[in-house]
Amino acid sequence: GAVVSQHPSWVICKSGTSVKIECRSLDFQATTMFWYRQFPKQSLMLMATSNEGSKATYEQGVEKDKFLINHASLTLSTLTVTSAHPEDSSFYICSARQAVLPYEQYFGPGTRLTVT
Amino acid sequence: KQEVTQIPAALSVPEGENLVLNCSFTDSAIYNLQWFRQDPGKGLTSLLLIQSSQREQTSGRLNASLDKSSGRSTLYIAASQPGDSATYLCAVLMNTGNQFYFGTGTSLTVIP
Repeated sequence: GAVVSQHPSWVICKSGTSVKIECRSLDFQATTMFWYRQFPKQSLMLMATSNEGSKATYEQGVEKDKFLINHASLTLSTLTVTSAHPEDSSFYICSARQAVLPYEQYFGPGTRLTVT
Repeated sequence: KQEVTQIPAALSVPEGENLVLNCSFTDSAIYNLQWFRQDPGKGLTSLLLIQSSQREQTSGRLNASLDKSSGRSTLYIAASQPGDSATYLCAVLMNTGNQFYFGTGTSLTVIP
């Protein structure tokens, strides 16, 4: 199946700094990518939908100025957590949807963010 | 708004047993339904995708069925193995295109 990569796989940063997470579709083009957040023992919570070449669509309650999303190409989307705080510590997962039928979604391995 | 529920939330079975995981959704206007598995601290692995026009899909020991009109899908795992232990998630893609809703998940433990 198709492969989606994320980098870094884990990151520790100090409170107040910014962290960028990359999501790449390695062998297919993805006009749409998604960013999720997952807390321990909970399901995935959609944060935003990223469309190539346009602004991301954020879910209700997600601060767009805090979680900056850029989808500059058909294979790369980035999530930047700005001025991170300990409560931003979480597991962040991206997914990429095929641009052709059957529009299957593939998920990255996730990024564990710890803010100290 | 679509609500996707999975029952049971947790399941523990002895190795070799056949088992069924359930997924139900409230809005039948779906484009497709996917089953995923997630290992602790890892991302999601796609297991099966069923188009709304299909009734079932099979891959190895896995068989997924879909009854769109009643808002239900099942994932059947035959001859379970300890390596099947993981959390299983179903998710539906709505006809509108971009909305993708996850179920609450079933945590499966297969005891050797």
